Amino acid sequence: KQEVTQIPAALSVPEGENLVLNCSFTDSAIYNLQWFRQDPGKGLTSLLLIQSSQREQTSGRLNASLDKSSGRSTLYIAASQPGDSATYLCAVHNTDKLIFGTGTRLQVFP
Amino acid sequence: DADVTQTPRNRITKTGKRIMLECSQTKGHDRMYWYRQDPGLGLRLIYYSFDVKDINKGEISDGYSVSRQAQAKFSLSLESAIPNQTALYFCATSTPRGGDAGYTFGSGTRLTVV
Repeated sequence: KQEVTQIPAALSVPEGENLVLNCSFTDSAIYNLQWFRQDPGKGLTSLLLIQSSQREQTSGRLNASLDKSSGRSTLYIAASQPGDSATYLCAVHNTDKLIFGTGTRLQVFP
Repeated sequence: DADVTQTPRNRITKTGKRIMLECSQTKGHDRMYWYRQDPGLGLRLIYYSFDVKDINKGEISDGYSVSRQAQAKFSLSLESAIPNQTALYFCATSTPRGGDAGYTFGSGTRLTVV
């Protein structure tokens, strides 16, 4: 059974820091991996999708990498801003379903 | 208009009542899903459908039922609501294996059962 773990569970940093959020999964037979952002009580916004044949994807200050063989993905946030405060969810596309980690709750203070 | 629309956005209902949550999409995707989110437990899959005639149970389907009325519409029903079904519910769509665009989620329905 696929299990997805995110570390750390919570993170509080001053504005301007470069951040690394980690995601690990137990079964390397995945199709894609997707990172989402969720604001409190709100829906999920897709940030980056890494297909199984890719190693990384970039969008603005965000960069996500994928290493299927080791079962790991990393989301890198450059020059963090207070507006980045949210919960970040990692999800793996496993057979016909999307399986989520429990998220990293990020707070960036001015 | 949003690609995936969920109604209602918020709902308070009494124990034992029947309630339906609705989802419609304009993505043209065949695959649709219902997830439930609880604090500390993450998102868990309730039901999913790969086309109009296909319905599959997820990991927590007990107490729920679904109907795929059309390619664009997928409804979730609670036949007799109970307080531990209080949660945030999300509908999602995708192409096979996530495709090039991954999964798209609606804005969620916050359900409270009192």
